Amino acid sequence: DAGVIQSPRHEVTEMGQEVTLRCKPISGHNSLFWYRQTMMRGLELLIYFNNNVPIDDSGMPEDRFSAKMPNASFSTLKIQPSEPRDSAVYFCANRRATSGLTDTQYFGPGTRLTVL
Amino acid sequence: DQQVKQNSPSLSVQEGRISILNCDYTNSMFDYFLWYKKYPAEGPTFLISISSIKDKNEDGRFTVFLNKSAKHLSLHIVPSQPGDSAVYFCAASDGGTDKLIFGTGTRLQVFP
Repeated sequence: DAGVIQSPRHEVTEMGQEVTLRCKPISGHNSLFWYRQTMMRGLELLIYFNNNVPIDDSGMPEDRFSAKMPNASFSTLKIQPSEPRDSAVYFCANRRATSGLTDTQYFGPGTRLTVL
Repeated sequence: DQQVKQNSPSLSVQEGRISILNCDYTNSMFDYFLWYKKYPAEGPTFLISISSIKDKNEDGRFTVFLNKSAKHLSLHIVPSQPGDSAVYFCAASDGGTDKLIFGTGTRLQVFP
């Protein structure tokens, strides 16, 4: 298995532009998580899905952020409009089970976003 | 407010010696704790975990200790190896949710 695939790996954009980050989860892994990593706050959970359904989006910082999971093979995190403070590394993670924390989360390689 | 705190942003240890990484938490409802390791340009990978019913869990060179009364856990790496150089994240959850709360990470450097 190729693991969690994220694209692009790097994104540089200008303030005000729309940014779309993509995640292809591991086949058969039914929970999907989007995280943001910054120096000041570490890894923050933004939103997670179980069986393609959003369960908790309380970590989404603002209405400028939105996430979708139209099917079990694909998820997007969109920022519109982007701002310099959104610059961070964004990770997608999967877990096989929809519950039970003893099941490991597998992380993708991340997308490094820079908003100028 | 950070519920999981890693107060040491970095740690430098000589190869062969013990590395001790610390983590403090504030939420007394947390009952499951994990450590993840992250290399540059890669995502975090699971390292070791511990349930609140235990005070120690060991896996090879890695041991996690939990002190519930102090709301403190630590990761011990013995002996440390250069390949252990990475950022280590502590994470916690209350079991009632599927969410993990991560700390800010500690960068470990193991030098020869």
